[in-house]
Amino acid sequence: AQKITQTQPGMFVQEKEAVTLDCTYDTSDPSYGLFWYKQPSSGEMIFLIYQGSYDQQNATEGRYSLNFQKARKSANLVISASQLGDSAMYFCAMRELDTGRRALTFGSGTRLQVQP
Amino acid sequence: DAGITQSPRHKVTETGTPVTLRCHQTENHRYMYWYRQDPGHGLRLIHYSYGVKDTDKGEVSDGYSVSRSKTEDFLLTLESATSSQTSVYFCATEGTNTEAFFGQGTRLTVV
Repeated sequence: AQKITQTQPGMFVQEKEAVTLDCTYDTSDPSYGLFWYKQPSSGEMIFLIYQGSYDQQNATEGRYSLNFQKARKSANLVISASQLGDSAMYFCAMRELDTGRRALTFGSGTRLQVQP
Repeated sequence: DAGITQSPRHKVTETGTPVTLRCHQTENHRYMYWYRQDPGHGLRLIHYSYGVKDTDKGEVSDGYSVSRSKTEDFLLTLESATSSQTSVYFCATEGTNTEAFFGQGTRLTVV
């Protein structure tokens, strides 16, 4: 069964510094996708970045990049030049692409606080 | 923006009463999902739909039922609400890159 683990319940970072949020996953499906979502205090879920298991390069979206290490089954989110608006909950999620189970499985989340 | 609207946004109900949450989408997406969010658990799948009248259970489906009579609407019913069903409920649909787009959530309190 697929599983997502986020071991950092909370993180602090200084404004303008980079921060890495950890995510490890477990799956027996060789074809899968990895996602990161941001949930600010207002509650909505915002899609940030996607990495496919067969993608050769790490995904990047603006200040977000995904450090994908397939052999270690990790998919860490890197936020560069943190801003106060980055303070939020961050969720890692996975979808297995070959099993027919299309729903996302989520980790328990990491609360990031950016300090001025 | 996947055009997902959840209603109501907030609801307080009494133990033992039935409750129905509605999810409406305007993008004609085939797949729709209901999740619940609780502290320390992230989001957990309740039920999902892969087409009109085609639904299946997720990992926390006990006490919940769903219906999808039209592509755009996916209803979640708590048959007899319990305090353990106090949660934030999210509806989601699937985008072009298989990412999920979420509604704004419904905060349900069962007293």
